[in-house]
Amino acid sequence: DAGVIQSPRHEVTEMGQEVTLRCKPISGHDYLFWYRQTMMRGLELLIYFNNNVPIDDSGMPEDRFSAKMPNASFSTLKIQPSEPRDSAVYFCASSGGGVNGYTFGSGTRLTVV
Amino acid sequence: AQRVTQPEKLLSVFKGAPVELKCNYSYSGSPELFWYVQYSRQRLQLLLRHISRESIKGFTADLNKGETSFHLKKPFAQEEDSAMYYCALSGYNTDKLIFGTGTRLQVFP
Repeated sequence: DAGVIQSPRHEVTEMGQEVTLRCKPISGHDYLFWYRQTMMRGLELLIYFNNNVPIDDSGMPEDRFSAKMPNASFSTLKIQPSEPRDSAVYFCASSGGGVNGYTFGSGTRLTVV
Repeated sequence: AQRVTQPEKLLSVFKGAPVELKCNYSYSGSPELFWYVQYSRQRLQLLLRHISRESIKGFTADLNKGETSFHLKKPFAQEEDSAMYYCALSGYNTDKLIFGTGTRLQVFP
């Protein structure tokens, strides 16, 4: 298994544009998590899914952020419209159940100018 | 509320010196505590967890419920230990990890 796969690795966009980040979890893992990493706030949990259903989205900063998981092998995190303060590294992680099996992706570094 | 506090953003030591990365947590029940590490240009990965009571790469961490702490320690730091370290907490019977803000460890030769 190639692990958790995220794309793109880097994204530079202009303020106001729509940004879509993608994640492919490990096959068989039924939990998927989206985190945001910044210097000031560290790793923040944005939202997580179980069996493709959103369980907790309390960490999503505002309505500009949305996440979907249309099937067990794919999830997206969308920001529309993007703002400079959204610049961060966004990580996806998956788990087969429980917190002892977390596997992280390589992250997407987003820069909004 | 669940909360993890890592008071130091940066910790710099010389090779061979002892290291202690501080982690304090807030949780009303019995938490599970973890340390994750992110080496330069690599993915975040699990270093150790309190329930295993193990030593990984010379690092240990003891859960102190009285002080609500889970400090990470190593008696003799190595240059290859330079990385970003995150303390994380999970509540009983939950499936999500709450992370602290992280501490960057720099080990100088």
